[in-house]
Amino acid sequence: DTEVTQTPKHLVMGMTNKKSLKCEQHMGHRAMYWYKQKAKKPPELMFVYSYEKLSINESVPSRFSPECPNSSLLNLHLHALQPEDSALYLCASSHAGRNTGELFFGEGSRLTVL
Amino acid sequence: RKEVEQDPGPFNVPEGATVAFNCTYSNSASQSFFWYRQDCRKEPKLLMSVYSSGNEDGRFTAQLNRASQYISLLIRDSKLSDSATYLCVVNSPSGTYKYIFGTGTRLKVLA
Repeated sequence: DTEVTQTPKHLVMGMTNKKSLKCEQHMGHRAMYWYKQKAKKPPELMFVYSYEKLSINESVPSRFSPECPNSSLLNLHLHALQPEDSALYLCASSHAGRNTGELFFGEGSRLTVL
Repeated sequence: RKEVEQDPGPFNVPEGATVAFNCTYSNSASQSFFWYRQDCRKEPKLLMSVYSSGNEDGRFTAQLNRASQYISLLIRDSKLSDSATYLCVVNSPSGTYKYIFGTGTRLKVLA
């Protein structure tokens, strides 16, 4: 069982819809991540929050908007997506600071954009 | 040159075989190294962290060679359930929150 919980597990949306992906962890980690993974490819980093502040944005299009309301929660707001944005979206967490240790992944949210 | 390189495979091996994967990394300042296992349409799960002294967990052995900048994973007595993609992950450099993933090596263990 994963200690990082993501909802929803599956999401189908049209290009004009607005939806959100949610992620929660209770391991006391102060770094949280969004990754995007296409089939047969490794995860690609999108955003990193450390101590609830955005640390990394890997030049992600503005139709993806991250939010970190508190140290346990991470959201990804989706608006006006394209069919090529269909992918598995993985949330992960780790310790923050110099020794971050391993990444803990949630089960992912599988997104289909019609 | 990619920051982390792996042979994508697939490696098709019979049950009971020993199989080894290698992974090379380009940033000599890298500090933390991991092997993750990913099953089809599932999330990556940590298999092993890799330490300078090498480490073993049952049938799995991981080694780190800093001089040559590669890490390895050895699986002994392969089981059907070992069939998965094995991802080499490097935290490069420490504290930057940048975990670099290799492309993954696909393993299929055959009955």
